[in-house]
Amino acid sequence: DIQMTQSPSSVSASVGDRVTITCRASQGISSWLAWYQQRPGKAPKLLIYAASSLQSGVPSRFSGSGSGTDFTLTISSLQPEDFATYYCQQGNSFPRTFGQGTKLEIK
Amino acid sequence: EVQLVQSGAEVKKPGESLKISCKGSGYSFSNFWIGWVRQMPGKGLEWMGIIYPGDSDTRYSPSFKGQVTISADKSISTAYLQWRSLEASDTAMYYCAKHLCSDNSCYSYFDNWGQGTLVTVSS
Repeated sequence: DIQMTQSPSSVSASVGDRVTITCRASQGISSWLAWYQQRPGKAPKLLIYAASSLQSGVPSRFSGSGSGTDFTLTISSLQPEDFATYYCQQGNSFPRTFGQGTKLEIK
Repeated sequence: EVQLVQSGAEVKKPGESLKISCKGSGYSFSNFWIGWVRQMPGKGLEWMGIIYPGDSDTRYSPSFKGQVTISADKSISTAYLQWRSLEASDTAMYYCAKHLCSDNSCYSYFDNWGQGTLVTVSS
């Protein structure tokens, strides 16, 4: 299985801050990566697919980059509704796997 | 509007069987892979497996193969997740979700999710 490792596991930030979350794959996955946001008690929401494509309806302050083994999710200016847990997921090979999650908390 | 509506919460005893469901609407159910994701209490997301309702082609994570059965009935646009014998460690929220297709390409990412089914296994 491909292991997906996110860092940090948690981060504290303030409204208006720029935040970057990293996801590293244990082997190359080209650009087969997605990012999800999960708010407490809710189903996950797809934010970014194919490493850098913004899902329809997702605000442009979210962006993704990377290829191969190293990927980043950037939120350019945090809004109150962005405080949530974020997961990466590889779509390169079976079984698909998620990262362990990064919890974004209010400072 | 695409919707995935899951069956309600379940409370079961160890050793009991269970089948939960996920009904799709607002899209061509047969033509999109649909999958299941487990989230244990306070933990992260785990990819369990997917099924293509059009021909019932199914892929499992090795972690779940033999432990659960994924199936689908395209005639009623419903996918299922089934256990023969539940264990306490199966206590979790289970989500169904469909794969994304965009600009004539389909991807192994989930763009629409059900609301989740909470399964509690306790003696």
